[in-house]
Amino acid sequence: KQEVTQIPAALSVPEGENLVLNCSFTDSAIYNLQWFRQDPGKGLTSLLLIQSSQREQTSGRLNASLDKSSGRSTLYIAASQPGDSATYLCAVSPDSNYQLIWGAGTKLIIKP
Amino acid sequence: DVKVTQSSRYLVKRTGEKVFLECVQDMDHENMFWYRQDPGLGLRLIYFSYDVKMKEKGDIPEGYSVSREKKERFSLILESASTNQTSMYLCASSPLVRVTEAFFGQGTRLTVV
Repeated sequence: KQEVTQIPAALSVPEGENLVLNCSFTDSAIYNLQWFRQDPGKGLTSLLLIQSSQREQTSGRLNASLDKSSGRSTLYIAASQPGDSATYLCAVSPDSNYQLIWGAGTKLIIKP
Repeated sequence: DVKVTQSSRYLVKRTGEKVFLECVQDMDHENMFWYRQDPGLGLRLIYFSYDVKMKEKGDIPEGYSVSREKKERFSLILESASTNQTSMYLCASSPLVRVTEAFFGQGTRLTVV
C-alpha cells in the first residue's frame, strides 16, 4: 500500500533563505506527483505537477524534483518571502484513473 | 476564474444530528470528491463520483453517504453525526480524463459536540 511521508511537519526560517521541503513515497510505481499549497480558509492550490517520466518542474521561485527510484520528491523555494507561509502538501497518484494519496503536509513559516 | 464552493466555512452540530455538507463547482467537471483532513493524517478520501448519480467509496466511507443529483453539485451526508467526525472537510472536482488535476473548495470545519 502506497504511503506518503513529509518531514518535517513544521519548519520556520528567516525571510530570504532558500529552503527545501521533502516528500517520500513507498511505492515507486506512480503516475504523477503533485505539490499543493494550503492557506487557512482558502482550500488547496496545485503548485506543480510532475509526470512519472519527468525529473523536475519549475514555476517562478519554485522547483520540484522527482526521483522515482528512491521514492523521493523535493520542493525547492528560492528567496523565501513571508507570503510563502502556508502548509505544503505532497500527493502521488498510482495511475491516471485513481485518486491522490496524500502526505500530512509541512507547515512553513517565513519570519520577516 | 474556476470555482469550487462549499456552502459553509464553519459548522457546529450536536451528536446524532443529520448533517449536510454541500459543494458546487462551475467547471463542468465530471469527477467530484469529498476528503476529510485531520492533523498528522493528511487528506483521506471519503467518497468520489465520476458522473451524476454515480458514487464510489473511498478509503473511509463509514458513517457517511453522498448524493449527486446534478453534475455541478455533490453533497456529503453524515447520517448521525458523532464526535469522531469532527474534522476539516474538503470538496474537490476534476476533469474526467485528468482525474488528478483537482480543484479544491475552501473547506468546511465541522465540530460535533
